[in-house]
Amino acid sequence: GENVEQHPSTLSVQEGDSAVIKCTYSDSASNYFPWYKQELGKRPQLIIDIRSNVGEKKDQRIAVTLNKTAKHFSLHITETQPEDSAVYFCAARIMKTSYDKVIFGPGTSLSVIP
Amino acid sequence: DSGVTQTPKHLITATGQRVTLRCSPRSGDLSVYWYQQSLDQGLQFLIQYYNGEERAKGNILERFSAQQFPDLHSELNLSSLELGDSALYFCASSVGRTTYNEQFFGPGTRLTVL
Repeated sequence: GENVEQHPSTLSVQEGDSAVIKCTYSDSASNYFPWYKQELGKRPQLIIDIRSNVGEKKDQRIAVTLNKTAKHFSLHITETQPEDSAVYFCAARIMKTSYDKVIFGPGTSLSVIP
Repeated sequence: DSGVTQTPKHLITATGQRVTLRCSPRSGDLSVYWYQQSLDQGLQFLIQYYNGEERAKGNILERFSAQQFPDLHSELNLSSLELGDSALYFCASSVGRTTYNEQFFGPGTRLTVL
């Protein structure tokens, strides 16, 4: 089936600590993995993405890693700040002969405690 | 502001009724995607249009339909509404036909079915 699993569903960390969110996907042909952040009452916004030709990508305090063999990818946030508190969604691109779509994971609610 | 607009912001209606949600994509974007986000749920992909043509379908109910007009704005029609249809409906747009690019989300329309 087409699904993206995401863990944990909720995560609380102390300000300054790191946060890690893990996702797995089912379609071995998936080649694009975006991460979206949704603050309370706001729209989802892309924070980082990775394509299958690289294993890791960093953007300041945010990094994403991809293990295509295991079909795992993870989001790492270092030196967390209260404004990192939000719901984070991972997603994977599913491509078939007749369609091409992005499937989202169920989300991780991250709370950063000052 | 992503450049994607959605109207109305809020909609309250009764069971059995029909509503229309409207989305205008970012300037230059040809793809429009519709998502449903229920309470405590992730983003469920409904349907994608590219340059006026249906491109991909997700878990869209038969009571729901969509279209994209020549000016590229899109409408999502929900009919015979049920209590369970209460949700936040997002549209997103992207520049290309495939999902290999960032999707820019609108602010959403919150639908409440009483």
